[in-house]
Amino acid sequence: AIRMTQSPSSFSASTGDRVTISCRANQSVGSYLGWYQQRPGKAPRLLIYAASTLQDGVPSRFSGSGSGTDFTLTISCLQSEDFATYFCQQYYDYPRTFGPGTKIEIK
Amino acid sequence: QVQLQESGPGLVKPSETLSLTCNVSGGSISGYYWAWVRQTPGKELDWIGHIYYRGYTNYNPSLESRVTISVDTSKNQFSLKLTSVTAADTAVYYCARQLNSASCVFDSWGQGALVTVSS
Repeated sequence: AIRMTQSPSSFSASTGDRVTISCRANQSVGSYLGWYQQRPGKAPRLLIYAASTLQDGVPSRFSGSGSGTDFTLTISCLQSEDFATYFCQQYYDYPRTFGPGTKIEIK
Repeated sequence: QVQLQESGPGLVKPSETLSLTCNVSGGSISGYYWAWVRQTPGKELDWIGHIYYRGYTNYNPSLESRVTISVDTSKNQFSLKLTSVTAADTAVYYCARQLNSASCVFDSWGQGALVTVSS
């Protein structure tokens, strides 16, 4: 199975900050990469797929980039509702696998 | 807006079978892939497998010997069975819809069903 890692595992930030989260695969996944946001007690919410395509209804402050093994999720101006945990997921190969998550906490 | 809702026992004894059903409302089950994903107490997300509305399945090899996913288009629902459960199967189980046939990401999710394996 393709192994996904994320960094950092958690960090603190302030409203208005620009933040980036990294996701790495142990082999190339092309652009078959998605990002999710999960708030406590809720199901994950799809933000981005195909590495950089914004899902319908997702604010434009979210963006994704990368291909191959290295990917980045950027939030350009952190809002209060963005304090959550973010997961990446590859769908290049079976089984589909997720990263361990990155938690953004309020500074 | 499609909505998904998991249902089934919240407590299963070790060695028994976990059974969950996902009811799909607000849209047809036809034309899509449907998946089960679980989240462990440590917050790891594990893809269990998926089924196409026509019945084609693909399972995580780590669970393949114990898992069955089925679909009932007449009831607009799909189901998960996981046999011989252990404490390691304790998790929140989500049903989800795959965005489309080319993009195996999940754009709609159920609220999740906590299943605890304990005697």
